[in-house]
Amino acid sequence: QSALIQPASVSGSPGQSITISCTGASIDVETNNRVSWYQQHPDKAPKLIIYEDSKRPSGVSSRFSGSKSGNTASLTISGLQAEDEADYYCCSYVTNNVWVFGGGTKLTV
Amino acid sequence: EVQLQQSGAEVRKAGESLKISCKGSGYTFSSQWIAWVRQMPGKGLEWMGIIYPGDSDTSYSPSFQGQVSISADKSFSIAYLQWSSLKASDTAMYYCARREGFCTNARCYAYFDLWGQGTLVTVSS
Repeated sequence: QSALIQPASVSGSPGQSITISCTGASIDVETNNRVSWYQQHPDKAPKLIIYEDSKRPSGVSSRFSGSKSGNTASLTISGLQAEDEADYYCCSYVTNNVWVFGGGTKLTV
Repeated sequence: EVQLQQSGAEVRKAGESLKISCKGSGYTFSSQWIAWVRQMPGKGLEWMGIIYPGDSDTSYSPSFQGQVSISADKSFSIAYLQWSSLKASDTAMYYCARREGFCTNARCYAYFDLWGQGTLVTVSS
């Protein structure tokens, strides 16, 4: 099964920007599959923050942005706030109605 | 209110069976796919499988094929995740999630926009 690779951890100071990468064959531009991103605070359910590579659901802060180039998707959080400290997961379709999550990235602010 | 409400925490012994549920409300449950996601203690999210309640079309991740069974009752707007013989390694939080967007043979623009609160399953050996 195709894997999505994320860094285990990233950190930043309040007000700074950070970027989390997500790399895998299933999100290569040739596959035409879009990436979604999820935020998970401790002991909470995941929350959708980016879909179709770069779109934000209603209610999600504009400080969150997504992009994709080649086989790597990126989540950027600008103006870091303490409340952004959480785990972040990318997700994409693989094939045959099967999806895969990245391993997750722990953000420390 | 649009939501997915999951059944409560379960404690079982290895070898026992278990069925947990995910009830949708506030939208047409039968018309949108529901996925199940596992999160083992201190670990990441793992996509398990997905069902279309309208016709019970189901797909599984190769990692979970044969290990669990996903079903749905569209009349009651409920999706289920079932084990016939639990193992200690099944101890985890399980989430259901609604799939939004669309997929064709050429492209997939889908994502999981609505999540249940999670069901904690604890299996003792």
